[in-house]
Amino acid sequence: GAGVSQSPSNKVTEKGKDVELRCDPISGHTALYWYRQSLGQGLEFLIYFQGNSAPDKSGLPSDRFSAERTGGSVSTLTIQRTQQEDSAVYLCASGTRDPPMGYTFGSGTRLTVV
Amino acid sequence: KNQVEQSPQSLIILEGKNCTLQCNYTVSPFSNLRWYKQDTGRGPVSLTIMTFSENTKSNGRYTATLDADTKQSSLHITASQLSDSASYICVVSVGQAGTALIFGKGTTLSVSS
Repeated sequence: GAGVSQSPSNKVTEKGKDVELRCDPISGHTALYWYRQSLGQGLEFLIYFQGNSAPDKSGLPSDRFSAERTGGSVSTLTIQRTQQEDSAVYLCASGTRDPPMGYTFGSGTRLTVV
Repeated sequence: KNQVEQSPQSLIILEGKNCTLQCNYTVSPFSNLRWYKQDTGRGPVSLTIMTFSENTKSNGRYTATLDADTKQSSLHITASQLSDSASYICVVSVGQAGTALIFGKGTTLSVSS
């Protein structure tokens, strides 16, 4: 597609449930980021994928968070045993490797844990 | 510690007026700096990207400046329109490959008629 696609756009889940968020990056983009944006806060880095390299997971807040990127394309962010503090907008961005890099963001998934 | 600080936190201006948003960063090694516009409920959209050697870059009514010596950037919006109401986020890339992105918390701009 022409842009970064994220699904679902909105997700309401009960505390303790697992959720999966999907990101479909721009075709050919080797870099993929996951960020989250809590109400009134800046963007918080979660995880970074670059080609076939091992992902940079340094931003994942706990072991309840994990992400995969299959075939260097679609990525899934999984949150297990969701907590209310997980409520945020989860944004995905994709880009090319060579600087200066222009990253394109998706519209995000608004996650609400009740 | 790599940080990006933006000011003001929020700003209200009348339609047609100009405004300038500030971004100060303490990032090393610097790769590039970008300004994004984020409408409510949408993902950020890139406005400008500047490398170390670029001082000014324009995109329509948006003009970004970069002073690599003082580690400051500004985004100037000319003849503001109601549609300029959004959050403006300054993002600095770290490292030789610029693969780590440090985000400011953004400036919320409201343009009123």
